Formats: sequence, C-alpha cells, structure tokens
Amino acid sequence: DAGVIQSPRHEVTEMGQEVTLRCKPISGHDYLFWYRQTMMRGLELLIYFNNNVPIDDSGMPEDRFSAKMPNASFSTLKIQPSEPRDSAVYFCASSLALTSGGGNEQFFGPGTRLTVL
Amino acid sequence: AQSVSQHNHHVILSEAASLELGCNYSYGGTVNLFWYVQYPGQHLQLLLKYFSGDPLVKGIKGFEAEFIKSKFSFNLRKPSVQWSDTAEYFCAVTPSGGYQKVTFGTGTKLQVIP
Repeated sequence: DAGVIQSPRHEVTEMGQEVTLRCKPISGHDYLFWYRQTMMRGLELLIYFNNNVPIDDSGMPEDRFSAKMPNASFSTLKIQPSEPRDSAVYFCASSLALTSGGGNEQFFGPGTRLTVL
Repeated sequence: AQSVSQHNHHVILSEAASLELGCNYSYGGTVNLFWYVQYPGQHLQLLLKYFSGDPLVKGIKGFEAEFIKSKFSFNLRKPSVQWSDTAEYFCAVTPSGGYQKVTFGTGTKLQVIP
C-alpha cells in the first residue's frame, strides 16, 4: 500500500481564498483524522471520521473550516475564507479499528504545508 | 478526558549519550500508549506502542519505553543516541476499548550534537 496520500504537498494562497486539502487513507482503514501542526500550538486534532461519518469535530477552529468524507477512500478539509493565521502543516492520518486486531496505531500522511499571505 | 504531559520541550545531547524523555498521562481507565517520531520536514511515524502485557516495550532504532501504571508514565529511552535521532518526539494516549480519539503531547525536540 502507498500509505496515506495527501495533496497538494504545498499550497500558497492569498487571504480570503478558498483552500481545499485532500486525503486518501490507507485502504481498509476505518478511521480518518485531520490534524493541524503549528509551532505555537503543536499538533491539534481537528476532526475525525469513523466509516465516513464525522464523530468528533470539536477541534475545528471555526465555521470557516469544514471537512467531508464522501466515501471510504477520500476526504477533504476546506477553509473558506482562508486567513494568515491558518498557515500551518495539515496532516491526515488513518487507522484500523481495534476490533480488527490491528490496533489503533495511526498512519500519517506527508502533510500539506499551507501558507496564507 | 485523557491528557498527556511531556515536560521536556527541548533536549540537547551529544552523540553516544543516553536519552530519557518523560511522558505522563492522565486517565482513569486502561490505556494504549504510543511514541511517535517526526524527523525534520517529515510526517509522524510510530516508534513503539503499548497495548498490554510486558510493560517494557521495544521499538525501532533501539528505542524502548516502560509503562509504569502506578506513576501513569511511559518514558522513552535509548542507551546511546546518534545524530540521526535528531527529531521531535510525541507521546500519545488513547483509552482502550474501541474509542479512537488519540491525545498527543506537545512534543519534545531532541537535538543530537555530533
């Protein structure tokens, strides 16, 4: 398996623009997570899905952020409108459920480095 | 809700020195514990994990961690560090039993000087 795939790897945009980050989890994984990493706040969980259903979105900073998972192999994180303080590295991760015997180790993608000017 | 504390934010060691990074968690039930490593410019990778059984867990690249339940600790150790161990290390905890939300610590940056 290719691992978790994220695109784009780098995104530079201007304040006010819409940004869409994409993630393809590892095939067969039941859970998908979106994280944001910054120097100031470290690694923050934004939202996670189980079987394509959002379970906990309490980490989403505000209404400008939204995430969807239309099927088991694809998820998006959208920021509209974007602001300079959204500049960060956004990681997607996926994991199996405990009952499958795989444990809940999370496999991280390479991240998207977002810069909002 | 669970929480994780990593008290060392930045550690600087010379090559061949021994390493111990502290991790304490707060949760009333049984937990699964992890250490992840993030090399400069890369994503997080699993170093080792504890689910049950032997509290001394061995991971990749010579790292090990010991789960001490009475102290709510899961410290990471390596007897002799190398320059290539320069990275940020994250401790993480999740309650056992199917609940998937993993809580990460704030990370410890390790700098190994040749």
